[in-house]
Amino acid sequence: EAQVTQNPRYLITVTGKKLTVTCSQNMNHEYMSWYRQDPGLGLRQIYYSMNVEVTDKGDVPEGYKVSRKEKRNFPLILESPSPNQTSLYFCASSRGPNQPQHFGDGTRLSIL
Amino acid sequence: EDQVTQSPEALRLQEGESSSLNCSYTVSGLRGLFWYRQDPGKGPEFLFTLYSAGEEKEKERLKATLTKKESFLHITAPKPEDSATYLCAVGGRAGSYQLTFGKGTKLSVIP
Repeated sequence: EAQVTQNPRYLITVTGKKLTVTCSQNMNHEYMSWYRQDPGLGLRQIYYSMNVEVTDKGDVPEGYKVSRKEKRNFPLILESPSPNQTSLYFCASSRGPNQPQHFGDGTRLSIL
Repeated sequence: EDQVTQSPEALRLQEGESSSLNCSYTVSGLRGLFWYRQDPGKGPEFLFTLYSAGEEKEKERLKATLTKKESFLHITAPKPEDSATYLCAVGGRAGSYQLTFGKGTKLSVIP
């Protein structure tokens, strides 16, 4: 089954404790992306990747890091999380930037 | 900077009452306009892609259209299962492969 898998689905943690949200896709897609979704602000792109070792900033990259060492994986790293990063996060992938994206089920992060 | 504005923010319809959702956009060169549906607690689900003005696409009770400034999602004779948030996104900005989403329209269809 074609899917984008995110882990964990839920996480409650504390300010400053480094965390990684994993994202994996099994569709051999070139383009992968991370979004955060907040009430009243909608979906905002954090980072995207056109291919292995190629990443670029979206609208809200501050406080986040990403890496694309393998085609199928695109982890989101919060080196020093802060409460304003409490949000619902989605990973997505597609064949290209002009193609429909497949989204994961989301990761709900709470930073205390 | 690419901008996407969706209206209305929320829409309540009686079952069978047709209507349209609007997505106005500003981009420096449209690479594609996308419509997604999002159910509570789930990731967005792809509906349509439109690439050029005049293009139309249909799927069951939904029809998406595109002009140079806006897109409409027409819903014909909606059913309660069409209740969801509908999101519009654009890919634009020459030299960037970023996607910009609107804030969505929350549709409620009342039996």
